[in-house]
Amino acid sequence: DQQVKQNSPSLSVQEGRISILNCDYTNSMFDYFLWYKKYPAEGPTFLISISSIKDKNEDGRFTVFLNKSAKHLSLHIVPSQPGDSAVYFCAFTPGGATNKLIFGTGTLLAVQP
Amino acid sequence: EAQVTQNPRYLITVTGKKLTVTCSQNMNHEYMSWYRQDPGLGLRQIYYSMNVEVTDKGDVPEGYKVSRKEKRNFPLILESPSPNQTSLYFCASKRLSSGRAKSYEQYFGPGTRLTVT
Repeated sequence: DQQVKQNSPSLSVQEGRISILNCDYTNSMFDYFLWYKKYPAEGPTFLISISSIKDKNEDGRFTVFLNKSAKHLSLHIVPSQPGDSAVYFCAFTPGGATNKLIFGTGTLLAVQP
Repeated sequence: EAQVTQNPRYLITVTGKKLTVTCSQNMNHEYMSWYRQDPGLGLRQIYYSMNVEVTDKGDVPEGYKVSRKEKRNFPLILESPSPNQTSLYFCASKRLSSGRAKSYEQYFGPGTRLTVT
């Protein structure tokens, strides 16, 4: 049973435009959501996170939005750059199990020059 | 440089031939974990360890073993590999969350691509 779903397996965006990656979850009990970025032949690297008590967190070109009533998480990248092309995974830590990460299925972002 | 290393990076083997994938971290992290990544399924946790000599099953532990005799090392053992264990494997580590000291970010190794024929 997939607790975290990324319904778009892939996304293509023009350089300079906004990239929006989405994540839907079913578990209402969580502490943190995190976004990881993965390049080919490398391990995932942490990108940005948001706690359950916030609805927005911003770090440079990256902003994560959390809509708890809709159980929806999104990552905005603006402006998008070719170096942003990678697979993006959302993940969350279940409430009471902050040492565990449950991952989504991933979205492949391609930023076209 | 703070890092998680895995060896080998690529491995092709045959059904039933025991193998070990090594994982080592130099960040003095208490928590270590193994994941497998499969198309359409994301990363799924195989086993994890909260500290030396403390290991526990993740979501997909069948067919795997682990050990944690030293803090820095967390090898993944496949006693009798089967084709359904063909996958991309990642080791990860993090500082342990306890009480008010929360730690969420896990640091991943570069991955081991395993093919079992």
